[in-house]
Amino acid sequence: AQSVSQHNHHVILSEAASLELGCNYSYGGTVNLFWYVQYPGQHLQLLLKYFSGDPLVKGIKGFEAEFIKSKFSFNLRKPSVQWSDTAEYFCAVNAYGQNFVFGPGTRLSVLP
Amino acid sequence: NAGVTQTPKFQVLKTGQSMTLQCAQDMNHEYMSWYRQDPGMGLRLIHYSVGAGITDQGEVPNGYNVSRSTTEDFPLRLLSAAPSQTSVYFCASNDPGQGAYNEQFFGPGTRLTVL
Repeated sequence: AQSVSQHNHHVILSEAASLELGCNYSYGGTVNLFWYVQYPGQHLQLLLKYFSGDPLVKGIKGFEAEFIKSKFSFNLRKPSVQWSDTAEYFCAVNAYGQNFVFGPGTRLSVLP
Repeated sequence: NAGVTQTPKFQVLKTGQSMTLQCAQDMNHEYMSWYRQDPGMGLRLIHYSVGAGITDQGEVPNGYNVSRSTTEDFPLRLLSAAPSQTSVYFCASNDPGQGAYNEQFFGPGTRLTVL
């Protein structure tokens, strides 16, 4: 069965700091990878996704993620965070024909 | 195009009561899913459907029923509510037939409290 782990439960940063959120998954086959964001009181929205090709994926709001197949990782990065990035971030994995599996989430707090 | 809609947004139940959470999508997606979100546990799959008339259990199905009579609607029924079912419930839909554009779209959620 697939599983997804996220390295940090809660990350606190000051504005303009760089961000990296870790995500690892366990599945031996071909997977699709996603990062979703959930702003306070809202539903999940897609930040970015990887299916194939260039392992460095760019998403909305200046976020990017790098797929490293040998490490089963899909880490999320942003060079300079803003207060408005305060949210919970979920990594997800989906293999063809199977259900999505979500990680436990990482809460990001950005201090002004 | 409303996407995925859920009703109600908030609900308080007493232990033993039953209720139905409604979910509808207007994107003609084949797949629909119900998740519950609890602090520190991410999203856990309750039930899912791969098309009208076809449903299956997810990771945490106990205490919940679903049916899928149309492509658009996927209601979740709580048969006899328990405090352990206090959670935020999200409905999602996606169309795996689109291959590389397979992406789950989420509804706004229903916050359920069982006393």
